[in-house]
Amino acid sequence: GAVVSQHPSRVICKSGTSVKIECRSLDFQATTMFWYRQFPKKSLMLMATSNEGSKATYEQGVEKDKFLINHASLTLSTLTVTSAHPEDSSFYICSALGGYNEQFFGPGTRLTVL
Amino acid sequence: QKEVEQNSGPLSVPEGAIASLNCTYSDRGSQSFFWYRQYSGKSPELIMFIYSNGDKEDGRFTAQLNKASQYVSLLIRDSQPSDSATYLCAVIGGQGAQKLVFGQGTRLTINP
Repeated sequence: GAVVSQHPSRVICKSGTSVKIECRSLDFQATTMFWYRQFPKKSLMLMATSNEGSKATYEQGVEKDKFLINHASLTLSTLTVTSAHPEDSSFYICSALGGYNEQFFGPGTRLTVL
Repeated sequence: QKEVEQNSGPLSVPEGAIASLNCTYSDRGSQSFFWYRQYSGKSPELIMFIYSNGDKEDGRFTAQLNKASQYVSLLIRDSQPSDSATYLCAVIGGQGAQKLVFGQGTRLTINP
């Protein structure tokens, strides 16, 4: 399957700081990427759909000013958690859309906000 | 009614046996169906996808789709302890949708 990377894999930050997470499709071009978050023992929750060259589409209840998404190229989407607080601590996972509408997931980023 | 339903388990299967995972969906217009495996603390990994009624085999895995019954299943033959994970069923609806709708996942344990 296609390879999607995420960086960093783990980040610990102080409350009030901003954190940027990068998602890259390494061996294919992805016009569409997705951002999810997952709490322990819970299912994936879609946060937003990221389309190259256009604004992201956010799911209901997700604050677009808090979770900034930029899909600047066909291989890179970034998620910035602005002014992070402890309740933002979670496992953030991106995925890239393949040619058969399958999604290839990155390895995830574990964010801990102190 | 949830859009995609799975038995949360846990489902325990002896090593070497066949594990059968089931999923039902509510949107009759759904077009694409996916099975993902997720190990604890890791991100989901695509096992296979199926679009047409019937069976699709890939190694030890067989996906089965029955659109009339709105039912999709995954069979794992010769189960191994390394197959122990949570299995997520995901569906894409019709009308050009791209978003995956996930079931809650079934936790599978293969007992040596």
